[in-house]
Amino acid sequence: SAVISQKPSRDICQRGTSLTIQCQVDSQVTMMFWYRQQPGQSLTLIATANQGSEATYESGFVIDKFPISRPNLTFSTLTVSNMSPEDSSIYLCSVSGGNTEAFFGQGTRLTVV
Amino acid sequence: GQQLNQSPQSMFIQEGEDVSMNCTSSSIFNTWLWYKQDPGEGPVLLIALYKAGELTSNGRLTAQFGITRKDSFLNISASIPSDVGIYFCAGQASRTSYGKLTFGQGTILTVHP
Repeated sequence: SAVISQKPSRDICQRGTSLTIQCQVDSQVTMMFWYRQQPGQSLTLIATANQGSEATYESGFVIDKFPISRPNLTFSTLTVSNMSPEDSSIYLCSVSGGNTEAFFGQGTRLTVV
Repeated sequence: GQQLNQSPQSMFIQEGEDVSMNCTSSSIFNTWLWYKQDPGEGPVLLIALYKAGELTSNGRLTAQFGITRKDSFLNISASIPSDVGIYFCAGQASRTSYGKLTFGQGTILTVHP
């Protein structure tokens, strides 16, 4: 499985600000995804990060709030914009090599105050 | 959207006991995955199931893909303290949706020595 590194691992941010989370993979992967895990909850898919084109967002998530970049096959960023306390969650990067298995980074624990 | 119902929500067992948890869905999935998440970490893939009726083992873990393609179970035999964590089932709805997963609510496992 690929080694997935996320930065930062945690952060505390002021409401109204934005945070960009980075995801670096040690090998080229076909698919990259971003998930959100709210406190005590399960994982919910935010979007598919498409290399060289705009991300594909799931219902309930929009580009203005969660802009995503994927400049190449090993790197992606997720920005959480204009944050409010409701955005406090763990944000997880996931990759899939073209089969159905998906592997996750360690997550970024975000607290908005 | 699709939902996975995972049960039980939590389990408190003695070391050495066997554990069983399951997931059901109202719609068909073509892949079932089981993950374990430790505190402060991302989910780690335990077992992947690709065919209806498939029974797969990984050490003390055994999982099955239900023949209706709407359910799966995970068994852990002879539990040990390091089995503590949150276990998630996840399903992939379509063979073209590589890595796009729907997650169950999770089962919190506590093992008493």
